Amino acid sequence: AQSVAQPEDQVNVAEGNPLTVKCTYSVSGNPYLFWYVQYPNRGLQFLLKYITGDNLVKGSYGFEAEFNKSQTSFHLKKPSALVSDSALYFCAVRGRNSGNTPLVFGKGTRLSVIA
Amino acid sequence: EAGVAQSPRYKIIEKRQSVAFWCNPISGHATLYWYQQILGQGPKLLIQFQNNGVVDDSQLPKDRFSAERLKGVDSTLKIQPAKLEDSAVYLCASSSGGGYTFGSGTRLTVV
Repeated sequence: AQSVAQPEDQVNVAEGNPLTVKCTYSVSGNPYLFWYVQYPNRGLQFLLKYITGDNLVKGSYGFEAEFNKSQTSFHLKKPSALVSDSALYFCAVRGRNSGNTPLVFGKGTRLSVIA
Repeated sequence: EAGVAQSPRYKIIEKRQSVAFWCNPISGHATLYWYQQILGQGPKLLIQFQNNGVVDDSQLPKDRFSAERLKGVDSTLKIQPAKLEDSAVYLCASSSGGGYTFGSGTRLTVV
C-alpha cells in the first residue's frame, strides 16, 4: 500500500529565511510525487511534481523539491520564505502503474512565515 | 481552461438529514475522484470514477454515502443520513495524463 508521512504538524520560519517541509513516502516501485498547497477556504493548488529525470524539481511560486530515492524522501524547499507562503502543505504519492490512479496524501504541514 | 467546479461552497445541516454535493470536472477528463478532508487531516479518497463506471469505492461508507456519474461528466455525492463525524470538506478532482486538478471543495458542517 502507498503511504506518505509528513513528520511535522507545523513549521515556523522567519520571512527571508530558507524553508523546508519534510515528506517521506512508501510505494511499490517508482513513485510519482506531488506537492499541493491549501489556503483557508480554498481547494488544493498544485505546486510541483516529480515523475522522472532530474531529482531537483522546480515549481510554482519559487518552490522546489528534491527527490531522494535512497531516503524515500521528497522535501519541499524555498530559498527565501514570504509571509504569503503561510498555508497548509500536502505531499502526495501515486504508484507508477497504468491509468489515473488516485493520489494518497500525507496529513499536511502548516507553514507559518513570521514577518 | 476552466477548473473543477463544485457546489455548494458551504452547507450546514442537522444530523440525520440528507445532503448532496455536485462536481463538474475539467472537460475531457475521464477520471473523477471524491475526497473527504476532515479538519487536521489530509484528503482521503472516497470514490474514483472512470467515465461513468466506478473504479474504486472501497473507502466509501456505503450505508450512508452514495455517488454517481451518470453521463460520464458531472458527478453527485450524497450523504443520507448525515452524522456529526461527516463534518469535513469534500473535494472533487479530475485527472488526465497524470495531472490532477482539484475543485475548491464543499465545507459540510453537521450539527
